[in-house]
Formats: sequence, C-alpha cells, structure tokens
Amino acid sequence: QVPLVQSGADVKKPGASVKVSCRASGYTFISHDIHWVRQATGQGPEWMGWMNPYSGTTGYAEKFQGRVIMTRNTSITTAYMELSSLRSEDTAVYYCARQYGSGWLDFWGQGTLVTVSS
Amino acid sequence: DIVMTQSPDSLAVSLGERASINCKSSQSLLHSSSNKNSVAWYQQKPGQPPKLLIHWASTRESGVPDRFSGSGSGTDFTLTISSLQAEDVAVYYCQQYQTSLFTFGPGTRVDI
Repeated sequence: QVPLVQSGADVKKPGASVKVSCRASGYTFISHDIHWVRQATGQGPEWMGWMNPYSGTTGYAEKFQGRVIMTRNTSITTAYMELSSLRSEDTAVYYCARQYGSGWLDFWGQGTLVTVSS
Repeated sequence: DIVMTQSPDSLAVSLGERASINCKSSQSLLHSSSNKNSVAWYQQKPGQPPKLLIHWASTRESGVPDRFSGSGSGTDFTLTISSLQAEDVAVYYCQQYQTSLFTFGPGTRVDI
C-alpha cells in the first residue's frame, strides 16, 4: 500500500503555472510534514520546500521563494505544490515525500513528470 | 544553506566486495540535544523514487539488509555496503536535516 499518490504527468508552456497533487492515505495526514523534491533527468534530487499539513506552515528553498506555493486540503488528505513562471529548466520529475521524525523522508510518491516546452 | 558533497561520483565494485561512499557537509550535522547526526541515506534505482536506507547517520530502516551501514559524525559520513549484491546497483544520496531547509548530496553511482 503506497501512502502517497501523485497526479499525472503534465505539459506546460513557458510562463505558465503547474499544480501537482499528492494524496495521502493509510496514516494520519496532519501528523507528518510533506516535502517536495524535484529531479531533472540525470541529476540528483533538489529539495524545494516543506509544509505542515496541520497548521499549513511552509518553508521554501531560497531558489524557489516567490515562485512556489505549497498548500493542503485536510478534508481529502491531499497536499499541493504549485510552481509558477515556468521555464524549460523546470522540466523534471516532482516528488512529494513524507517526513518522519526529525527530518528523514520515509515514504515518497511515485513522481509527476512536468515538461515545460513551447 | 548547508552544502552536501559526495565522493566518488561513481564506483565499480565486484560482487561480494565492499563499497564505501563518502558524504561531507559544509557545517556540523551533530544535533546537540540528541547527540545524533542529522544525516539520511537513500538508494535510487532508475524510474523509482529514492528509498530511505538510513537515518541519524547510522540507524538502518526496517527491512534494509544489514550489509548496509552508516557511520560518521560532525561533517564526515560514510555509507558502506559490506558485500555488494547485484540488486545494489543504484545511485546513492545523502541528505541533511539539521536545519529546516534540507539539502541532498549530488549522488554516487554504484555499479558492478
């Protein structure tokens, strides 16, 4: 049973926004922070930010400040990551992951490929 | 931000032999209140998300074979595969969680 299921692949034009969803199941959604990590082809994971599903508090990597918004809907145990002003360099697989304990990520979604192309 | 570096970029090891991967952080990752180091290790195979192997630098996750071990303290850490198996071919990443702004290392590819 995979506790995090993400939305499907998406193709966007430069300048557009994308919103990726991450539906949690099998655990208490509000008890674990959700992190978003992206990975371009052939590159290592790049941490984007986190969100506390209970309070809605967020923290973003400086690189994405002003361009990313992480939200949640607790009634449907779903987290969202919206990235705006997309450019070709944003083409990547985007993952959500559950934080356990002080900061390790014990469960990951299957990933969502976002392609930015004109 | 804390910068994580890894070495080597890649290595090839014979089946049954030992593989060691190094990870270095730009700041100490020793968590003062717990006296533990805020480092995790992940394994990633093609087309899959990263899989958590180790947290607190040396605590193995449930179900992870005991040939995987983590060590180190402060700024220098090592992931060791004591006897490499074919299914261990993957890219391995370290990650710090000392601050609320996480960072990953660039990865080390392990091949046979």
